[in-house]
Amino acid sequence: EVQLLESGGGLVQPGESLRLSCAASGFTFSSNAMGWVRQAPGKGLEWVSAISGSGGNTYYADSVKGRFTIFRDNSENTLYLQMNSLRAGDTAVYYCATIPHPHYYFDYWGQGTLVTVSS
Amino acid sequence: EIVMTQFPATLSVSPGERATLSCRASQSASNSLVWYQQKPGQAPRLLIYGASTRATGIPARFSGSGSGTEFTLTISSLQSEDSAVYYCQQHHKWPLTFGPGTKVDIK
Repeated sequence: EVQLLESGGGLVQPGESLRLSCAASGFTFSSNAMGWVRQAPGKGLEWVSAISGSGGNTYYADSVKGRFTIFRDNSENTLYLQMNSLRAGDTAVYYCATIPHPHYYFDYWGQGTLVTVSS
Repeated sequence: EIVMTQFPATLSVSPGERATLSCRASQSASNSLVWYQQKPGQAPRLLIYGASTRATGIPARFSGSGSGTEFTLTISSLQSEDSAVYYCQQHHKWPLTFGPGTKVDIK
């Protein structure tokens, strides 16, 4: 059974940093592309970032490019999202999800972790 | 960027009736279109991929159709547990983009 468990969310002030983690199990992690999708309170879904199985290819939404970095540790079956220069507009539940490469949609989702950016 | 729109924004349907949800792309998305269902307090769940293929474990009352710029999700006989928000997403071009969602209520 595919399991994805996000952690690392919390309350931070504007301009601060946060690192999200997603621990994966139940599938061959290194063979799967992975991604992050966020959902602001009461709003719709927004794609944030994606990474290939090897980690060699990364993709970002314009709204986070240059501030967020996606990376993975295939030896630990863990996906990360390093978020710097956080803004109020980054407040959201962040979901990690598996991607059935080569098609970049999201087939299995974690339960999400809440990031709140507020002074 | 391919902009996705969905209509109606809200749909109220009686149990056992058909629900038809629409998704439109601002340019061709080919058949690179998926549908998700999200219930309150839960993560989204993949329903349909490739515009028309049901994901594992999805009941046969859910069906998808369309290609290019016009797509449809049909729930043939609405059940109470189908009350949710439904999102479409294109993966034909970067950036990946979602529609704003259609909320399905049970009358």
